[in-house]
Amino acid sequence: KNEVEQSPQNLTAQEGEFITINCSYSVGISALHWLQQHPGGGIVSLFMLSSGKKKHGRLIATINIQEKHSSLHITASHPRDSAVYICADPRLYGNKLVFGAGTILRVKS
Amino acid sequence: DTAVSQTPKYLVTQMGNDKSIKCEQNLGHDTMYWYKQDSKKFLKIMFSYNNKELIINETVPNRFSPKSPDKAHLNLHINSLELGDSAVYFCASSQVRASSGYGYTFGSGTRLTVV
Repeated sequence: KNEVEQSPQNLTAQEGEFITINCSYSVGISALHWLQQHPGGGIVSLFMLSSGKKKHGRLIATINIQEKHSSLHITASHPRDSAVYICADPRLYGNKLVFGAGTILRVKS
Repeated sequence: DTAVSQTPKYLVTQMGNDKSIKCEQNLGHDTMYWYKQDSKKFLKIMFSYNNKELIINETVPNRFSPKSPDKAHLNLHINSLELGDSAVYFCASSQVRASSGYGYTFGSGTRLTVV
């Protein structure tokens, strides 16, 4: 069992739909990361959050520390949101990230 | 531009060869990493360096040797390449922020193909 579990693994949505990706983690020492990897391969950090909620444009990330659960929401989804979304739980030792397996999102027009 | 830059972007080589991947960050971060992304797209830590000192070596074969000449550079040298080494290798850097954990910046990745 991976220490960071994401669901769903694959998600296909119609343009304009509201999307939710879930992440459950086991340690939670420091801020949880949400990352985006586009088909070209580069990885971009979307959010770091240790409590509550953060919003950036159409992306919203929430976290429940007690339940060790985080969600990434995309409002009014667009084909350009198609990517792999990865949550990652940091470790104090070495500052390394432990990654979920990723959610492959495809938004159709 | 402030960034983590790694070269080359693509590397195709024969089994048994030795190759290096270079990484540089100009963000002033104190920690640098190598991560490997396998064919199933799963990312896993290989090495972590803090101020040129090796902190993590996560059960990586001895054929992989990281070198950090200064805190802005972390290179990865791989000896006697094997087919199973084919993957995408990401360099990253981070800096601890007391208020919110530490922010990460990733390089664009090096796709290594061993034939």
